[in-house]
Order: sequence, then C-alpha cells, then structure tokens
Amino acid sequence: AQSVTQLGSHVSVSEGALVLLRCNYSSSVPPYLFWYVQYPNQGLQLLLKYTTGATLVKGINGFEAEFKKSETSFHLTKPSAHMSDAAEYFCAVSDKGSSNTGKLIFGQGTTLQVKP
Amino acid sequence: EAGVTQSPTHLIKTRGQQATLRCSPISGHTSVYWYQQALGLGLQFLLWYDEGEERNRGNFPPRFSGRQFPNYSSELNVNALELEDSALYLCASSLTGTLYEQYFGPGTRLTVT
Repeated sequence: AQSVTQLGSHVSVSEGALVLLRCNYSSSVPPYLFWYVQYPNQGLQLLLKYTTGATLVKGINGFEAEFKKSETSFHLTKPSAHMSDAAEYFCAVSDKGSSNTGKLIFGQGTTLQVKP
Repeated sequence: EAGVTQSPTHLIKTRGQQATLRCSPISGHTSVYWYQQALGLGLQFLLWYDEGEERNRGNFPPRFSGRQFPNYSSELNVNALELEDSALYLCASSLTGTLYEQYFGPGTRLTVT
C-alpha cells in the first residue's frame, strides 16, 4: 500500500530564510505527487504537482519541489520565507495501484511557522 | 472561474441525528471526492463519485453515504451521528478520471454534541 511520511510536524523559520519541508513516499509504481497548503479554517489549495517529465516542479507562491525516485522523496522548498507562508502543508500521493481508486493519500501535515 | 463550493460552512448536530453536506464542483469537473479531516486523524478519503456513480469508498461505516446529481454536484449524508464524526469535511473535484489533480472546497465543519 502506498503511504506518505512528512518529517517534522512543526517547522519554524525566520522571515527571509529557506523553507524546506520534507516528504517521503512509498509506492510500488511511479506515483503522482502533490503538495497542498491549508490556511486556518480553510480548505486545501494545490501548490504544485508532479506527474511525469521534469523532476523539478515549480508551483505557486514561489514554491518548488523535486521528485527524487532513488530517494523516494518529494521535498518542498522556497528560497525566502514570507510571513504569509505560515500555514499547514500536506504532501499527497495518488493511489494508482492496479486500478484507479480516486484516492489521494496524505501525509500527516507540517505546520510552518514564520518568525519575524 | 468559480472554485469548489460547499454548504453549510458550519453544522451543529446532536448525537443520533442525520447530517447532510453539499458540494458543487468546478464547472467542467465530473468527479467529486469527499474527505474527512478529524483532529489527530489527518485527512481520510471517504467517497469518490464520477458521472453519477459511486466509484470507490474509504474505510468508513455504511452510515456515511452520498450521491452525485446529474449536474455533478454531490451530497454527503451521515446517519446516526456519533461524537467522533465531528470533523472538517472537505469536498474536492477533478476532471473525469483519477489522475488529475483534485481541487478542494473550503469545507463544512460538523460538530456533534
């Protein structure tokens, strides 16, 4: 079964510092990978996705992620944190398996705190 | 372009009652998904509807059910509410099929007392 592990439930950075949120997955087939952001009392907003092709994926708000098959990782980065980046971030993998299930499997989430 | 909409925003029910949550997908999207986000349990897949049919359901009891209407909007029904059903229920939509990204609505906060 596919699974997603996000290392670190809380990450704290200073404004202007590099943001690195870690995500590792397990999958028997090449997965589709996603990062979503959730602001307080809101739904999830898609930041970026990896399906096929270029392994470095650029998303909205200056975020990017790199798919590394050998490391089964899909870490999210942003060169310079902004106060407005404070939110909860979820990594997700599509459950492709042997048949389409429609299901996204989410990690437990990482809360990003940005200090002034 | 309007995003996924959900109603109501908040819903307060008593244990044993029934709750009905509604979702309207992005125009052109035919797949609708329901997820439960409960405190401490993360995001759990509930149901997937496509072209009016239930395609898959997660590991939830039968009192969680729903349907998709001809206009692709969807309804989630939770019968015989239990305290642990208190959660944020998120609806998402996508183009038909499962390999497209899912776009989420703002959610319905269900509180069971």
